[in-house]
Amino acid sequence: GEDVEQSLFLSVREGDSSVINCTYTDSSSTYLYWYKQEPGAGLQLLTYIFSNMDMKQDQRLTVLLNKKDKHLSLRIADTQTGDSAIYFCAESTPFKTGANNLFFGTGTRLTVIP
Amino acid sequence: NAGVTQTPKFRVLKTGQSMTLLCAQDMNHEYMYWYRQDPGMGLRLIHYSVGEGTTAKGEVPDGYNVSRLKKQNFLLGLESAAPSQTSVYFCASSYPAGGSNEQFFGPGTRLTVL
Repeated sequence: GEDVEQSLFLSVREGDSSVINCTYTDSSSTYLYWYKQEPGAGLQLLTYIFSNMDMKQDQRLTVLLNKKDKHLSLRIADTQTGDSAIYFCAESTPFKTGANNLFFGTGTRLTVIP
Repeated sequence: NAGVTQTPKFRVLKTGQSMTLLCAQDMNHEYMYWYRQDPGMGLRLIHYSVGEGTTAKGEVPDGYNVSRLKKQNFLLGLESAAPSQTSVYFCASSYPAGGSNEQFFGPGTRLTVL
């Protein structure tokens, strides 16, 4: 399978910015996603970026994609305690049937310190 | 809409027992997926389906079977459970194409095999 790597832990103070990084190996990825998982819950899509884009901004979230280095980052501005969760990076390549083959990173546990 | 629901939420099995996990979605999605999530690893695709009556293998299909008899339901079966199948199982569904190809996830089933 493809390799998607993330650091395991990140701690930030409330009000600061958080930056979560991800590297991937599949250059044919079509979409790259950021999912959030709160304790005991399923994954919730936060944002995504199409592979031909460099940047996407969505309120407090900024996604940067460096396709040459296969590096993806998620910046959360003005981080709040409610942002504490595990964040998963995932890359997507389509199956021939059209379904989406998602490869996930290990997840980064973000802890926001009040 | 309930979105994606999974039954049961928790289950403890003994080695060699069998069970079926049920996933249901009410969004009229064509594609459905089963993943497992293990500590320190990202989600890995077990099986998926591109429509009623179809199934296909994902990255880690061994020891599992699936069925999609109705469009809204996707069943994951363990015929003879093993301790290595202790994991959290997530079901997801998505539209066939267009937009972000977002996968919508259920809340998960935590399975322990003793």
